[in-house]
Amino acid sequence: AQSVTQLDSQVPVFEEAPVELRCNYSSSVSVYLFWYVQYPNQGLQLLLKYLSGSTLVKGINGFEAEFNKSQTSFHLRKPSVHISDTAEYFCAVSDGGSNYKLTFGKGTLLTVNP
Amino acid sequence: DGGITQSPKYLFRKEGQNVTLSCEQNLNHDAMYWYRQDPGQGLRLIYYSQIVNDFQKGDIAEGYSVSREKKESFPLTVTSAQKNPTAFYLCASSIVRGTEAFFGQGTRLTVV
Repeated sequence: AQSVTQLDSQVPVFEEAPVELRCNYSSSVSVYLFWYVQYPNQGLQLLLKYLSGSTLVKGINGFEAEFNKSQTSFHLRKPSVHISDTAEYFCAVSDGGSNYKLTFGKGTLLTVNP
Repeated sequence: DGGITQSPKYLFRKEGQNVTLSCEQNLNHDAMYWYRQDPGQGLRLIYYSQIVNDFQKGDIAEGYSVSREKKESFPLTVTSAQKNPTAFYLCASSIVRGTEAFFGQGTRLTVV
């Protein structure tokens, strides 16, 4: 079975500061990894994904994430956040094989303050 | 525009009544999913379907039922057997195993 742990339920930061949202996963097989963003009362939008290849993945809105197999982590980073980045962020894993369904973490609420 | 449409956006029902949530996609995706979201719980998988006329239980299927008679549609029925149905329900679809899922805008169900 696979699982995802998002280490921080809430992360408050000031505008233009850097931010890192942490995600660790467990799986017995090779994985695909994803970060999604959710604005209030809306669905989820894909920020970025790791399927294979380069471990540094760049996504939309200036976000990037690094896949670290030895530490089973996939942390999300942004060098300078904006007020509009305030949202909930979800890390998700899929084993990419027969068990293709996504398993999500519990989410991290990022609040960007002026 | 291609996408996933969930309706209605808000739904109120009395306790003990069954209710059906609609999910339609025009992305020509084979796989469709239903997730339940509760505050602080993330998303939990209710049911998923990889092909028409076939579906599988997810992690919290008790009290829910689905059908997949058409590729484009995957309705979810919340039955009276679901002990705590008030939640935000999200429908998603994808093209192949393990690739990204595209989400609808969700339906917020409140049972009173």
